[in-house]
Amino acid sequence: DTEVTQTPKHLVMGMTNKKSLKCEQHMGHRAMYWYKQKAKKPPELMFVYSYEKLSINESVPSRFSPECPNSSLLNLHLHALQPEDSALYLCASSQARGAYNEQFFGPGTRLTVL
Amino acid sequence: QKEVEQDPGPLSVPEGAIVSLNCTYSNSAFQYFMWYRQYSRKGPELLMYTYSSGNKEDGRFTAQVDKSSKYISLFIRDSQPSDSATYLCAMIKAAGNKLTFGGGTRVLVKP
Repeated sequence: DTEVTQTPKHLVMGMTNKKSLKCEQHMGHRAMYWYKQKAKKPPELMFVYSYEKLSINESVPSRFSPECPNSSLLNLHLHALQPEDSALYLCASSQARGAYNEQFFGPGTRLTVL
Repeated sequence: QKEVEQDPGPLSVPEGAIVSLNCTYSNSAFQYFMWYRQYSRKGPELLMYTYSSGNKEDGRFTAQVDKSSKYISLFIRDSQPSDSATYLCAMIKAAGNKLTFGGGTRVLVKP
């Protein structure tokens, strides 16, 4: 099973709302990632968790707050977002070490900030 | 200069033709190479993963890596309209887990 699941598929929120994106994988991967993708652009890395610890934060604004409750789950908490944060948010997972570290992506959450 | 360069296309081919895609990179630290297919408004789907120079074949897909030239390719044989998508190359440095993507090539396979 090489599936990464993400919920919700679509999310519309106002600039004062608080919402969360969820990601789950059952491949035994110990590295999980959040990416942001704008139209006609490649995904941009936001955060990396390795063994449930935050290992990379690509200078993401504090209105995005990641959380890794366990090795299978990854959340992204959203608060006070701006319209320019509207994008496809992708979760991915991989082995944390070794040569077989290809990343598998979920289907994404399409976020619209009004 | 970007670390990974990829022609944005669009690349338009007739059904049944071979699709040829490529990326060049500038940093010799990249050791692992991936090709993803992404349909509109969907997540990227991993097609091929390689970590050595040479060819790797999987069904209609062949990935080539030439580390000496810092050049990777993906060939799609007997292309179908369902292959119409954006193809992203991506690569990782040794002992790292941060993907560096090319900009993506949009492919159109016409019936």
